[in-house]
Amino acid sequence: RKEVEQDPGPFNVPEGATVAFNCTYSNSASQSFFWYRQDCRKEPKLLMSVYSSGNEDGRFTAQLNRASQYISLLIRDSKLSDSATYLCVVNGDNFNKFYFGSGTKLNVKP
Amino acid sequence: GAVVSQHPSWVICKSGTSVKIECRSLDFQATTMFWYRQFPKQSLMLMATSNEGSKATYEQGVEKDKFLINHASLTLSTLTVTSAHPEDSSFYICSALDRTKAFFGQGTRLTVV
Repeated sequence: RKEVEQDPGPFNVPEGATVAFNCTYSNSASQSFFWYRQDCRKEPKLLMSVYSSGNEDGRFTAQLNRASQYISLLIRDSKLSDSATYLCVVNGDNFNKFYFGSGTKLNVKP
Repeated sequence: GAVVSQHPSWVICKSGTSVKIECRSLDFQATTMFWYRQFPKQSLMLMATSNEGSKATYEQGVEKDKFLINHASLTLSTLTVTSAHPEDSSFYICSALDRTKAFFGQGTRLTVV
């Protein structure tokens, strides 16, 4: 079983829509969770950390569900510039090791 | 955020030659750096964890004699692809751990001809 699994998409949504992605992880001992954004042929960039209590940053909301072992990312009022691949990242047994999901591709259309 | 510089950003080499990729943390010290590989339309796959002053830890299926990692200082890790072959052509990305967050280099696109 993969450490981290994501729906690859693509999610095709119109501007202004709300879209949500989920990501499941296999290691119940994982403590650190992140969402990264990757544009085509570029390096991933940290979008936000995911805290147990959930956290919000502008139009982006991240949540963690430990019982079901998944994290989610909600994007409100989608912009064209949100089009990218969103990667969820979870640390492994060793805190210093991170695993990436395969990414969920988002296309925001006019 | 923290800055990680990776060099070169792209390289073309002949089959059988070796290629060295550098990863530097510019404004923080990183005792741990990671090396990933990403084939087209696939996810980032962790190749190895590089720890300053000690041997790297390789993921299952990654040949340590082929992908040599050196992390000689707190700001520099290098990945050397030895005797490169066309199937090694890929996008290689490093990341450095700054406390609890990982920051990425720009990536190196390696093409072996």
